[in-house]
This record gives sequence, C-alpha cells and structure tokens, in this order.
Amino acid sequence: NAGVTQTPKFRILKIGQSMTLQCAQDMNHNYMYWYRQDPGMGLKLIYYSVGAGITDKGEVPNGYNVSRSTTEYFPLRLELAAPSQTSVYFCASRKGGGTGANVLTFGAGSRLTVL
Amino acid sequence: RKEVEQDPGPFNVPEGATVAFNCTYSNSASQSFFWYRQDCRKEPKLLMSVYSSGNEDGRFTAQLNRASQYISLLIRDSKLSDSATYLCVVNPLTTSGTYKYIFGTGTRLKVLA
Repeated sequence: NAGVTQTPKFRILKIGQSMTLQCAQDMNHNYMYWYRQDPGMGLKLIYYSVGAGITDKGEVPNGYNVSRSTTEYFPLRLELAAPSQTSVYFCASRKGGGTGANVLTFGAGSRLTVL
Repeated sequence: RKEVEQDPGPFNVPEGATVAFNCTYSNSASQSFFWYRQDCRKEPKLLMSVYSSGNEDGRFTAQLNRASQYISLLIRDSKLSDSATYLCVVNPLTTSGTYKYIFGTGTRLKVLA
C-alpha cells in the first residue's frame, strides 16, 4: 500500500493563479481531509469528505474548493491564489469504522508558496 | 481559550532523561485523544492513542484526566531520535454528530547528546 499520496511536493504560484493539489489513497478509507499548517501553528481543517460525493467545509475553507467523485481521490483546488495561502498542505484519510477507525494517516505534504 | 493548548517549548533535555508534556482541552465532549509526532518538514505520524485508563508503549506513557481535561505524554530514557514536535490531538463530538480533529500547536523536544 502506498498510503496517502500527495502531488506536487512543492509549488510556487503567482498571485491570481489557480492550481489543484492532488491527493490519492489506496486504503479504501471513507474519510478524507485537507489541512493546512502555517509555521508554528497547529493544523487547520480546510475541507473534509465522509465518502464519495459528500464534502463539507472545515474551519478555513475560503479560497478553496474540493471534489470527491471516487473513494480514492480528493483534490483541493485553489482559485485566485493569494499570499495568505502560502502554507504546507496535508491530506489525510481514515477508516469509517472498526479497529483504528479514528487514526488519521497523512500524506507527505505539499509546500505551496504564493508570490 | 484555545480548544487545545500545549506548551510550545522547546524542551531541551539530555539523553537518558525523562520528560513530560501536558495538553489541555476545552471541550468536555471530546471522545478520543492522540499524540502525534511530527519531524521537521514532515507529515504528522501517530505516536499513540490515549485511553481512559492510561497506556504505555515502550518508553512512552500516555495519561488522560477527564476531570481536569488534560492529557499527558511521558518519555523515559530519551533518545536523540526522539527530537521532534509532539502534537496533541483531540476528537470532540460536534453538534452535527460528526467527529472533528483539533490539533494543538505542538511541543518541541530536543534531546541533547
């Protein structure tokens, strides 16, 4: 199992550009999450999904969009990038039930800089 | 008051020392508790879940005090490789009936040779 795979690892954007951060998991997990982590800060939830076709906003959704057409993929779309979106983005997933259902598995992160 | 609070540190300790971190949480409806470890510029990884009766995994011991709303992590016989940031994670039940994860800002540990 590859676990949770994120691409790209690094990206520099200009203000106003758009891009999509990719996230894929091969563990058949129902729940998927997007977090951002700013220096010295805790992880903040952007969006989450409880299953294919279902998404919901987290604490800091403004400026982002998500989709979940399949169980495996949960891309995060940045529209009109702003310097405030400079951060490290982590995708995570977890099972829906059973042993270890509450444990989050994270991808390696995508480091985004908006200039 | 922050939902989850941790002392940011850094805690600088010599190899072999015992070190303890606390984490306080504000939501008494919290259901699950975890310690995650995050190395510099890496993703968080589960260190251990925290159970009501307390639990131990090798040199690591986690405790939960629901009455005072805090969890703790004790590391015995510290190794250089324990140097990392330790994230406290709390999982409260929301009013919508779903669970969310609240992350502390982390406590930084440096183990010195």
